[in-house]
Amino acid sequence: AQSVTQPDIHITVSEGASLELRCNYSYGATPYLFWYVQSPGQGLQLLLKYFSGDTLVQGIKGFEAEFKRSQSSFNLRKPSVHWSDAAEYFCAVGADDYKLSFGAGTTVTVRA
Amino acid sequence: DSGVTQTPKHLITATGQRVTLRCSPRSGDLSVYWYQQSLDQGLQFLIQYYNGEERAKGNILERFSAQQFPDLHSELNLSSLELGDSALYFCASSADFRGLNTDTQYFGPGTRLTVL
Repeated sequence: AQSVTQPDIHITVSEGASLELRCNYSYGATPYLFWYVQSPGQGLQLLLKYFSGDTLVQGIKGFEAEFKRSQSSFNLRKPSVHWSDAAEYFCAVGADDYKLSFGAGTTVTVRA
Repeated sequence: DSGVTQTPKHLITATGQRVTLRCSPRSGDLSVYWYQQSLDQGLQFLIQYYNGEERAKGNILERFSAQQFPDLHSELNLSSLELGDSALYFCASSADFRGLNTDTQYFGPGTRLTVL
């Protein structure tokens, strides 16, 4: 079965600084990878996804992620963080068994 | 707005009771997924329906059941509720027109269930 690890529970970053959120997955075949964001009291919004092809994926809100098969990683990055990026971020892996497995999430706090 | 709607937004009930959560998928989406988000378990997949049929089961308790109706909306039934069932329950939908699990899942806003 697939699994996802997000090593950082909480990250604090200054507004305007860069952000990188780590995600490592475990799955025997080529995974489908996703990043979702959850703002307080809200549902999950898809930021970006990787199915195949170019390993650098562009998403919404200025986010990008890079799939590295050799490292089993799918890290999320943003060059310059805005206060509105404060939220909880979830990495997820999809497999042929029709379900998404989510990481525990990383909470991002943005300081002025 | 993902196009997935869930009702009610909040539900407060007592232990031992039964509740029904409703989900309307995005127009035309064939698959509906249910997830539970709790502080101790995180986001857990419960069950998936595809075009009216159960397709996959995850960590769903026997006290819980779901169904998908001909109009593709879905209901999650939770019975004999316990304090530990308090959580945020999400519904997601995806197109899955080819019957493959490669389509993006779009999440609804969730139903927050509080069991007292």
